[in-house]
Amino acid sequence: GAVVSQHPSRVICKSGTSVKIECRSLDFQATTMFWYRQFPKQSLMLMATSNEGSKATYEQGVEKDKFLINHASLTLSTLTVTSAHPEDSSFYICSALGQPGTDTQYFGPGTRLTVL
Amino acid sequence: GDSVTQMEGPVTLSEEAFLTINCTYTATGYPSLFWYVQYPGEGLQLLLKATKADDKGSNKGFEATYRKETTSFHLEKGSVQVSDSAVYFCALYNFNKFYFGSGTKLNVKP
Repeated sequence: GAVVSQHPSRVICKSGTSVKIECRSLDFQATTMFWYRQFPKQSLMLMATSNEGSKATYEQGVEKDKFLINHASLTLSTLTVTSAHPEDSSFYICSALGQPGTDTQYFGPGTRLTVL
Repeated sequence: GDSVTQMEGPVTLSEEAFLTINCTYTATGYPSLFWYVQYPGEGLQLLLKATKADDKGSNKGFEATYRKETTSFHLEKGSVQVSDSAVYFCALYNFNKFYFGSGTKLNVKP
């Protein structure tokens, strides 16, 4: 099956710094990627939809200036958490749609962010 | 707006027991419905899906039927194994967006 990777898998940073998380589709092209945040009680919250070559669409309540998303190529989307604070500590997951117009998405393994 | 509600866990069962994890949804239009599974230390994987009313999705002994009249998509398995221990997420896809339930952790004891 299709593979999506995320890097890094874990990151610890100091409050006030920025952290970049990469999401790559390894064996297919993904025009659409999604970024989720998984909370401690396991709920998965959609943060934004990332489309290659255009601006990301953010969900209500998600600060676009804090969570910068760039989808510069058909195989790479990045999420940058700017000026991170302890409340940003969470598990961030990306997924990629296999083909435009389909509902098959492939998930990355996630990135655990801890902000001290 | 669209949403998914699933039963809270954890659910603890003995091996070979019958499993039901309830899932109900709220949505406009005609969403597709999914069950995803997350094994310890791994990313979410598609378990099964159904795209229209009365469709039954099935995989690895798991089944779920898309019930539009009750807006439900309950996950069932007749005989669980220890290897089924994981977190299960119900989800819907509608108007190019996915909505997930909160997840249900299943523990299967030998």
